[in-house]
Amino acid sequence: GAVVSQHPSWVICKSGTSVKIECRSLDFQATTMFWYRQFPKQSLMLMATSNEGSKATYEQGVEKDKFLINHASLTLSTLTVTSAHPEDSSFYICSVLAGAGRGTQYFGPGTRLTVL
Amino acid sequence: AQTVTQSQPEMSVQEAETVTLSCTYDTSESDYYLFWYKQPPSRQMILVIRQEAYKQQNATENRFSVNFQKAAKSFSLKISDSQLGDAAMYFCAYSPIPTSGTYKYIFGTGTRLKVLA
Repeated sequence: GAVVSQHPSWVICKSGTSVKIECRSLDFQATTMFWYRQFPKQSLMLMATSNEGSKATYEQGVEKDKFLINHASLTLSTLTVTSAHPEDSSFYICSVLAGAGRGTQYFGPGTRLTVL
Repeated sequence: AQTVTQSQPEMSVQEAETVTLSCTYDTSESDYYLFWYKQPPSRQMILVIRQEAYKQQNATENRFSVNFQKAAKSFSLKISDSQLGDAAMYFCAYSPIPTSGTYKYIFGTGTRLKVLA
């Protein structure tokens, strides 16, 4: 399967600052990537679908001005949490869609964001 | 609406024994994909097994196999010869084949598997 990395693996920031999380597909050109959020002991919640060269598609209830997604190349998508607040603290996971014909997603290791 | 239900929040199994995790889903589609993912304490999501709905044969991957019952909309995961490293959260996921847009997963709520030594 595809190998996906995320950076940073964890970040602590002050309230009001912005944080950028990178998701890289290391061995696969990913036209489509996804961003998820996971709260403790809960399932993954899809935030948005990131398409290379076009605007991301956000799920209902996700603030697009708060969670900025850029997919500028076939190997890199970034999620920027703008003006972060403590309620944005969470575990953020990205995935790549490895071959549309098979529908399989491969996931990054996740980024733990703590906003003080 | 398409939904995925994992009715067992937690399961336990003795090492070397067999355990089955349940998953049911609701869809009106005839073709789709189903997946099981494992999330160990590291929180890295790992693909365990994949099933294509048009294939009647149950998927297997070493000690992992599924019982896919399309009419019943059931997709259970059997883990044979359980090992301590199998302890994790297991998520069932459903992916319809899109007529427009892209593939998306619908996840179940997960089953936490404990393996007892």
